Amino acid sequence: DTAVSQTPKYLVTQMGNDKSIKCEQNLGHDTMYWYKQDSKKFLKIMFSYNNKELIINETVPNRFSPKSPDKAHLNLHINSLELGDSAVYFCASSPGTGFTDTQYFGPGTRLTVL
Amino acid sequence: SQQGEEDPQALSIQEGENATMNCSYKTSINNLQWYRQNSGRGLVHLILIRSNEREKHSGRLRVTLDTSKKSSSLLITASRAADTASYFCATASNTGNQFYFGTGTSLTVIP
Repeated sequence: DTAVSQTPKYLVTQMGNDKSIKCEQNLGHDTMYWYKQDSKKFLKIMFSYNNKELIINETVPNRFSPKSPDKAHLNLHINSLELGDSAVYFCASSPGTGFTDTQYFGPGTRLTVL
Repeated sequence: SQQGEEDPQALSIQEGENATMNCSYKTSINNLQWYRQNSGRGLVHLILIRSNEREKHSGRLRVTLDTSKKSSSLLITASRAADTASYFCATASNTGNQFYFGTGTSLTVIP
């Protein structure tokens, strides 16, 4: 009965590699998000998708590309990984748009780039 | 930076005491939200307070909002060891397309 799930939980990889993180929500929500939390615990939104369409794209390098095959999934693909990409990445979902609702967060994916 | 500021950065109290955390922000908001994050876990939503509201309660939690001062506070009454976590405020802009988390307060409740 997991609400928002992410895989993998941990990801260790070398610089220059390409990797993906998957996110799925079974809450029937229309909007999904990706957040990055750095080593100092600063949380920043990266992307927001509503019904498979990108509605917010903060200043994120274009090496990061979100992909939403359907309303319940929002995957994050990262090309040419860099040391600075090391962080915890959280997926979230909410019923509505515009950040006017409660967001439900996944457990996070800890990415370590060596 | 648009990120909100929270204070204190860290707070350590005895079980049973009250804990107060403050959040200041910079822009006009639609709402302000408080989240809890246990170590190594995802965020859990606590309370959402809209810009036209001044106070909200949920169990042992009390949130106030002062839009004239661009500040909010979270009060946890009768704290428990299980309340030990980081607490974040987050603001949603009036335009609906910006969402900023504060810097967080790390709360330790000593049994």
